[in-house]
Amino acid sequence: DAGITQSPRHKVTETGTPVTLRCHQTENHRYMYWYRQDPGHGLRLIHYSYGVKDTDKGEVSDGYSVSRSKTEDFLLTLESATSSQTSVYFCAISQQGNEQFFGPGTRLTVL
Amino acid sequence: GENVEQHPSTLSVQEGDSAVIKCTYSDSASNYFPWYKQELGKGPQLIIDIRSNVGEKKDQRIAVTLNKTAKHFSLHITETQPEDSAVYFCAAPGGNRDDKIIFGKGTRLHILP
Repeated sequence: DAGITQSPRHKVTETGTPVTLRCHQTENHRYMYWYRQDPGHGLRLIHYSYGVKDTDKGEVSDGYSVSRSKTEDFLLTLESATSSQTSVYFCAISQQGNEQFFGPGTRLTVL
Repeated sequence: GENVEQHPSTLSVQEGDSAVIKCTYSDSASNYFPWYKQELGKGPQLIIDIRSNVGEKKDQRIAVTLNKTAKHFSLHITETQPEDSAVYFCAAPGGNRDDKIIFGKGTRLHILP
């Protein structure tokens, strides 16, 4: 998976609790992305980062925030998890913003 | 913004036959078109891509063709094998920036024995 790890790989949480997912890369790529994957919707971009402390919203950013304090780590936070955020979350990295390489995913269940 | 449509959503072919998956895009300025393969329980894997300055690209049994005038591009898999069974996604740059890509909704390919 191109030097990308995601943690945790599986998480079950309750509605209203905060959740943070971590993406870690060893490739020193500039760009990092968070996607969610749901049946019938494919992959949808949540947020992405084009450098340390530089982030931008994707098409489904409501309810999510991100932070990137160093090149290798990109954190996705759900401030107050809802059942609609039950999904599989993928992190991706890219050197120039086009060819993207994906991590193994995190399966999140919000009860 | 960019809109990517992918067809069919499901495709079944006999082992050894060819499979074709088609995508259309809306932004005529788009210039990069990747294809991803996702196996069960794994993240998507980039398998081939094409840029707008060429019409076709091949890599062993897979090829991608691009028709910029019609704004569509296709993935061709020849001599299909059981390990080709997976979900395939096309993508195109999202909006004005080339550092985001928009994915099609995916095609589940079944290779029948």
